[in-house]
Amino acid sequence: SQQGEEDPQALSIQEGENATMNCSYKTSINNLQWYRQNSGRGLVHLILIRSNEREKHSGRLRVTLDTSKKSSSLLITASRAADTASYFCATDRQGGSEKLVFGKGTKLTVNP
Amino acid sequence: DSGVTQTPKHLITATGQRVTLRCSPRSGDLSVYWYQQSLDQGLQFLIQYYNGEERAKGNILERFSAQQFPDLHSELNLSSLELGDSALYFCASSVGVSWGNTIYFGEGSWLTVV
Repeated sequence: SQQGEEDPQALSIQEGENATMNCSYKTSINNLQWYRQNSGRGLVHLILIRSNEREKHSGRLRVTLDTSKKSSSLLITASRAADTASYFCATDRQGGSEKLVFGKGTKLTVNP
Repeated sequence: DSGVTQTPKHLITATGQRVTLRCSPRSGDLSVYWYQQSLDQGLQFLIQYYNGEERAKGNILERFSAQQFPDLHSELNLSSLELGDSALYFCASSVGVSWGNTIYFGEGSWLTVV
């Protein structure tokens, strides 16, 4: 079962623009993580935000978490062609037997 | 390079066969996780081991089994393979057992069942 749902499914922007991806989930969580996956490669951890945090920054990445709306957003500023990848959110449900659950991802294409 | 090593990188096998996928976690990591990624199902959590003991179970079929050895490497055994088992299988590792730890993924093992 998928806990996180990313939106949009695909996003195409020009280099230098900002990219915003959203993630919604269904049940209460302890943490939410964002990962990046280049085509056919392994997932790379980007950032973890805990349920008691509202915003977190890492370089050009900004993640927000709204537990009342059960949603998170990932903002990539000043995008580069190298940011082209699929981005996944992953949640660990409070009290859930199934652990880190991934959404289906947003496929981001940054055009040079 | 995440430090998680998976072998083989690619594998083609016939239906009904059995394969073993191998994973070496990052140095010092005690938790190992297995995930299956397919186009229709996305990333599915299969199973987690911590320091040799099974810790959590997800959508792992009865035809699949895993173990973590004393040296902390792990193997995922897939038997009676079906066409639908074709997928990218990821191993991941983390220091602790908590899902609040950063989890590092290997590059995956591509399994094609023909």
